[in-house]
Amino acid sequence: EDQVTQSPEALRLQEGESSSLNCSYTVSGLRGLFWYRQDPGKGPEFLFTLYSAGEEKEKERLKATLTKKESFLHITAPKPEDSATYLCAVDNYGQNFVFGPGTRLSVLP
Amino acid sequence: ETGVTQTPRHLVMGMTNKKSLKCEQHLGHNAMYWYKQSAKKPLELMFVYNFKEQTENNSVPSRFSPECPNSSHLFLHLHTLQPEDSALYLCASSQESGRVGTGELFFGEGSRLTVL
Repeated sequence: EDQVTQSPEALRLQEGESSSLNCSYTVSGLRGLFWYRQDPGKGPEFLFTLYSAGEEKEKERLKATLTKKESFLHITAPKPEDSATYLCAVDNYGQNFVFGPGTRLSVLP
Repeated sequence: ETGVTQTPRHLVMGMTNKKSLKCEQHLGHNAMYWYKQSAKKPLELMFVYNFKEQTENNSVPSRFSPECPNSSHLFLHLHTLQPEDSALYLCASSQESGRVGTGELFFGEGSRLTVL
């Protein structure tokens, strides 16, 4: 069965304290891996798509990387406005995407 | 503004009521989705429509009834719900679903449903 797990479940950082979020996946085939950001009471917002191992994408303080079994979302010098839940999802060539449970990030000023 | 609009944003209903959630997308996409998001659980796919045809029904109870009159509009009709159906219901769209497409989902802000 295809599965996506994320760790940690929750992460508290001080402003400026860099860290990484993990997304591990077990799927029969990977067409793409996606990262989304979700603010409280809102729908997820698309951040990145990664297609192959070794690929990296960057956006402001965020950088996403992909290996054959996991993806990392690196957050460099985070700010309070980066506080959100970060969701990982995989497209397994099926009719839908398999989502992970998310990592709830809090960045304290 | 994501280009996907959901109404109402909040809904409280009794177990015997009938209500509907509405979703409209202004992105020119061909696929539309209903997802359920419960506390501390991953997003659960409920229904997928591709070019107005339902291509996925993820074992959803019949008290949830989708309707897709065209590629821009999607409804979720609700009747005789249970308290455990209380959740955030998210609509999304994408260029296409299945084996062809960009794979990026664009979500609405969700409809927060409370069943008393």
